[in-house]
Amino acid sequence: NAGVTQTPKFRILKIGQSMTLQCAQDMNHNYMYWYRQDPGMGLKLIYYSVGAGITDKGEVPNGYNVSRSTTEDFPLRLELAAPSQTSVYFCASRGPGTENTEAFFGQGTRLTVV
Amino acid sequence: AQKITQTQPGMFVQEKEAVTLDCTYDTSDQSYGLFWYKQPSSGEMIFLIYQGSYDEQNATEGRYSLNFQKARKSANLVISASQLGDSAMYFCAMRRTGGFKTIFGAGTRLFVKA
Repeated sequence: NAGVTQTPKFRILKIGQSMTLQCAQDMNHNYMYWYRQDPGMGLKLIYYSVGAGITDKGEVPNGYNVSRSTTEDFPLRLELAAPSQTSVYFCASRGPGTENTEAFFGQGTRLTVV
Repeated sequence: AQKITQTQPGMFVQEKEAVTLDCTYDTSDQSYGLFWYKQPSSGEMIFLIYQGSYDEQNATEGRYSLNFQKARKSANLVISASQLGDSAMYFCAMRRTGGFKTIFGAGTRLFVKA
């Protein structure tokens, strides 16, 4: 059971560079999420998706883009990286149905922008 | 708008004792779910326990229980018989029933002393 897989686990970017954080889940979950966690803080929602082809902004979407072409994959794109995007990024997924379904999280991607 | 407040940045507890981590929330929704997650130093997010707003009994999962006081809008996590492995960050979270977005508190770091 792979669950939610994020790649890479670590990355250092220079200011102005771009990159894509990959997220894949094998649980056939409809709902997928991207969060960022700044040091000593809770998680803030960047973008979410309720199914293939459908995405929406969360609390902190500026500087990011997402796409959802398949149920399994939900990549997060950073364009023109800035030091303020230094953070740990978590991808999560959740199945529909009962409301007590918890989200399954990936292991996180630690991104440093220098 | 929904809001989660965790007022204890850090807590210490002696091994084998019980500890309560506070969580208060604000929402205008009538039906919602409350979640607690554990984040050990390795960084992954681990789901612990869920409480529905219409559940009459407090949720329990092994050594974890949720002290839910709806009128006070509080959902405190109680860990009984603390173990060294309980040292971690703990996050309270909330999601409107039928909603897609989960919001998180800032977290409480728990230190268990031998």
